[in-house]
Amino acid sequence: GESVGLHLPTLSVQEGDNSIINCAYSNSASDYFIWYKQESGKGPQFIIDIRSNMDKRQGQRVTVLLNKTVKHLSLQIAATQPGDSAVYFCAEIITGNQFYFGTGTSLTVIP
Amino acid sequence: NAGVMQNPRHLVRRRGQEARLRCSPMKGHSHVYWYRQLPEEGLKFMVYLQKENIIDESGMPKERFSAEFPKEGPSILRIQQVVRGDSAAYFCASSPQEGKAFFGQGTRLTVV
Repeated sequence: GESVGLHLPTLSVQEGDNSIINCAYSNSASDYFIWYKQESGKGPQFIIDIRSNMDKRQGQRVTVLLNKTVKHLSLQIAATQPGDSAVYFCAEIITGNQFYFGTGTSLTVIP
Repeated sequence: NAGVMQNPRHLVRRRGQEARLRCSPMKGHSHVYWYRQLPEEGLKFMVYLQKENIIDESGMPKERFSAEFPKEGPSILRIQQVVRGDSAAYFCASSPQEGKAFFGQGTRLTVV
């Protein structure tokens, strides 16, 4: 759902391990979801998207899982690399192009 | 196809001055969104516009803030009589009729 201005939760992983970043969304009417990556000092960058008629979608080293029953979205990053260190946001889109972002998770990759 | 362009990248204003932030959407995109971000925090929705229309301004402060997306030219986020609390990064995103939104690099506003 909407960011409420809370400080970001953090996740630290060892280089080479898999990362799982979670997001709970709020609106059961949301039919499209996007994960964004934001590096320090830059704008959010599109990673992967998924529509509500799917429960899994894979990209290059990333997988998004959608559980509509519990309104939960996750981003899995395989073989995490130092360049993956960033803040990750999920966005839920309700029909009509209303984008709402989650609070975000700060991922730190330990070399 | 150039990405979403925001300018200026950095803007310094004294308290009481006006700040104008510009956003040129990607070619073919008719939907624009503005977000505000404080350091170490998430993206807070401000306003969603289509050409010449404000669709959702539920995230905009009631006073001093306004936004427009004219038929020609960039979208403008205008902050009148800025205060220190307005200091933040302001991000613009654009999307086509339906589809994913692409973000600009943001404008970092500092009020001194």
